[in-house]
Amino acid sequence: DAGITQSPRHKVTETGTPVTLRCHQTENHRYMYWYRQDPGHGLRLIHYSYGVKDTDKGEVSDGYSVSRSKTEDFLLTLESATSSQTSVYFCAISEGDRFADTQYFGPGTRLTVL
Amino acid sequence: DQQVKQNSPSLSVQEGRISILNCDYTNSMFDYFLWYKKYPAEGPTFLISISSIKDKNEDGRFTVFLNKSAKHLSLHIVPSQPGDSAVYFCAASASTSGTYKYIFGTGTRLKVLA
Repeated sequence: DAGITQSPRHKVTETGTPVTLRCHQTENHRYMYWYRQDPGHGLRLIHYSYGVKDTDKGEVSDGYSVSRSKTEDFLLTLESATSSQTSVYFCAISEGDRFADTQYFGPGTRLTVL
Repeated sequence: DQQVKQNSPSLSVQEGRISILNCDYTNSMFDYFLWYKKYPAEGPTFLISISSIKDKNEDGRFTVFLNKSAKHLSLHIVPSQPGDSAVYFCAASASTSGTYKYIFGTGTRLKVLA
């Protein structure tokens, strides 16, 4: 257990509404990531953070924003949810060790946008 | 363009036999690779890693082989067990990028038949 929780675990929302997903870690790791998993696409990076208030875009960042005001929390916001954002969202953490870096994943959030 | 490819969406193997899962990459700057296992409704679980300074890494029943000239890595599971039935993802990172971002493949679903 890598000490990562995600909330909510399931959410159904309507098109056009804002949605915020939360990732919480107890490991004090520097790096945190948000991915989405879709059939045929594997895991794709949305945004990541390398420290408090330090974030950067991943490969599928359009329509998403993130914030990290504390080491332990990384929030993903869908500014105006669309049906194409229906997916399973995973948070991950890593120490950022150049020689032995491993990412550990949370249990996921299943989001349905109607 | 998919930088990390897992060209076999699925694989079936008899219990006790060897499972070989393949992964190809196109970016020659990738120098650190991870394999993950994912069960339904759970987050991916780290299995094994390999750095480009090695061509093989073992951990129990799991061995990863890296062929840098071919830009190919493979995960061998010997002997395969029914509990190994899951989706397997490979992931690659370039340490020279200055970030700890990973590119994931699309996954291979392994089914081990009892």
